[in-house]
Amino acid sequence: DGGITQSPKYLFRKEGQNVTLSCEQNLNHDAMYWYRQDPGQGLRLIYYSQIVNDFQKGDIAEGYSVSREKKESFPLTVTSAQKNPTAFYLCASSAQRNTEAFFGQGTRLTVV
Amino acid sequence: KNQVEQSPQSLIILEGKNCTLQCNYTVSPFSNLRWYKQDTGRGPVSLTIMTFSENTKSNGRYTATLDADTKQSSLHITASQLSDSASYICVVSSNQAGTALIFGKGTTLSVSS
Repeated sequence: DGGITQSPKYLFRKEGQNVTLSCEQNLNHDAMYWYRQDPGQGLRLIYYSQIVNDFQKGDIAEGYSVSREKKESFPLTVTSAQKNPTAFYLCASSAQRNTEAFFGQGTRLTVV
Repeated sequence: KNQVEQSPQSLIILEGKNCTLQCNYTVSPFSNLRWYKQDTGRGPVSLTIMTFSENTKSNGRYTATLDADTKQSSLHITASQLSDSASYICVVSSNQAGTALIFGKGTTLSVSS
């Protein structure tokens, strides 16, 4: 099936550890995005990439890092510098910058 | 600053009733506007996509309107069902280079029996 896959669905980490969230798409989309969602709040953009080997910071990039070495993959690393990493993380992709975004099912990260 | 504001923040209605959700935006230059439905703990799924020249678009019991002059959109849900309980998110795209999608905070709809 074509789509966008995030893994794992639930992730637990100890405070101070880096953790990498996976996002893979087989839709042949150029653009990919990472969002963070906290209870009662909207989606906030962390990073986005419009093409392989290129990415831009979003509104809340501090404490996060990404890479885009392949068109189909856009992993997000939550570093120990992120002060409040517990949240629901959503990855999305779109054919071009202004076309419809398709979302993964999300990863719920809990840092204890 | 590009912004998308949604109202109300939350809404509770009885099954079978209609409701209307609002979205106001200040995004410029405007490209298109989408309404997404997000079930709890899941990723958002697109309901409608509207471009500058479209005023109304329907998808089953969902009807979206767009007034590009006043920069307002609405999502009308007819004959609500329990499965309509979700968060509805308005997303606006800009033609400006380097601008990503701009999300509203969503309206949480609860349909009760």
